[in-house]
Amino acid sequence: GQNIDQPTEMTATEGAIVQINCTYQTSGFNGLFWYQQHAGEAPTFLSYNVLDGLEEKGRFSSFLSRSKGYSYLLLKELQMKDSASYLCAVSNSNSGYALNFGKGTSLLVTP
Amino acid sequence: EAQVTQNPRYLITVTGKKLTVTCSQNMNHEYMSWYRQDPGLGLRQIYYSMNVEVTDKGDVPEGYKVSRKEKRNFPLILESPSPNQTSLYFCASRGTGSATNEKLFFGSGTQLSVL
Repeated sequence: GQNIDQPTEMTATEGAIVQINCTYQTSGFNGLFWYQQHAGEAPTFLSYNVLDGLEEKGRFSSFLSRSKGYSYLLLKELQMKDSASYLCAVSNSNSGYALNFGKGTSLLVTP
Repeated sequence: EAQVTQNPRYLITVTGKKLTVTCSQNMNHEYMSWYRQDPGLGLRQIYYSMNVEVTDKGDVPEGYKVSRKEKRNFPLILESPSPNQTSLYFCASRGTGSATNEKLFFGSGTQLSVL
């Protein structure tokens, strides 16, 4: 089994930077994904990390430390449309590379 | 357009009345999966399938059945729905190439209410 923890809610101001943390404990770790989900919609892929370090993609970056079981998603130059839930998910090679999701972090961007 | 299509989008039913939620993908993906999403609990996997005629239980399989007779389709069957199966359901698919960073593509979701 695995345990994936992320904060339930966060609030940040438009134009600012916010960091959403995720910690995990798992056997058979095979990569970590971040997804964005707007209310009532399907999750959409943001990033993937399998090696330690930072992956940058436009305003979004994701970091992974496998030894610490830790990842974060960094959102820069926040926009109102970034208000959404952010889901951390771990790929597990022990169960057909199934993605196990954390409970998600609800981010509210305020003017 | 590459997509995962699930139907219906909304469904209201009564306890005990069998129902099927359909899921189809047009990307020739081997792997397909069903999740349910509940407030405070996040996305939880119900069943998954690595390929045709191969299915496995996820974390919350009780009360559900699936089948994978064709590569593109992966229906979710509730033989006797109960109110605790009221939830938002997502179907998802991905390839199973050598790279395990094959991202999941999600359907648009099915909001099920069991009265």
